[in-house]
Amino acid sequence: GQSLEQPSEVTAVEGAIVQINCTYQTSGFYGLSWYQQHDGGAPTFLSYNALDGLEETGRFSSFLSRSDSYGYLLLQELQMKDSASYFCAVRVNSGYALNFGKGTSLLVTP
Amino acid sequence: IAGITQAPTSQILAAGRRMTLRCTQDMRHNAMYWYRQDLGLGLRLIHYSNTAGTTGKGEVPDGYSVSRANTDDFPLTLASAVPSQTSVYFCASSGKTSGADTQYFGPGTRLTVL
Repeated sequence: GQSLEQPSEVTAVEGAIVQINCTYQTSGFYGLSWYQQHDGGAPTFLSYNALDGLEETGRFSSFLSRSDSYGYLLLQELQMKDSASYFCAVRVNSGYALNFGKGTSLLVTP
Repeated sequence: IAGITQAPTSQILAAGRRMTLRCTQDMRHNAMYWYRQDLGLGLRLIHYSNTAGTTGKGEVPDGYSVSRANTDDFPLTLASAVPSQTSVYFCASSGKTSGADTQYFGPGTRLTVL
């Protein structure tokens, strides 16, 4: 079977840094992705890691450790607009389908 | 404007009725997907299509069918709707240029089955 675990809720203060973890158990692995979804909206792609290490895109960074089956999304200089749900997703074969985690609801407070 | 469109935006449906959710993309993406999203359960894959003319089953395919007659369209059909199919349905696509892991989502269809 396949499973992805991420915290259900995280709260952080505006301007701070927050890390959202994701652990996975899959029969295969081709990469870990992160998506953001605001209430009532469509999920949007944030970042992707196929190899170990850190990928940085502006205020957002994503990390992957394949040996630990673990990754995280790091959000810096938090803004109120970062309040949203964040999903990790894995591609487990050479096809195209992704398996998504249940999502982490991030609340940024003043 | 390039992207994915879904129709209808929302629908209330009587149990037992047949319903087709429409999805169209104009990005010439080879792969398309249907997900359902329920509170606390995240996004679950219903069906997918890696290329026109082919389809595959995802995690929760029962009660749903799809077809992929051309590159742009990927309709999802509920043959006989049941209340447990009340959900928000998202269509998505991905292309060879952007990679399989970068999926573009439509705005969603909110379906209520009574």
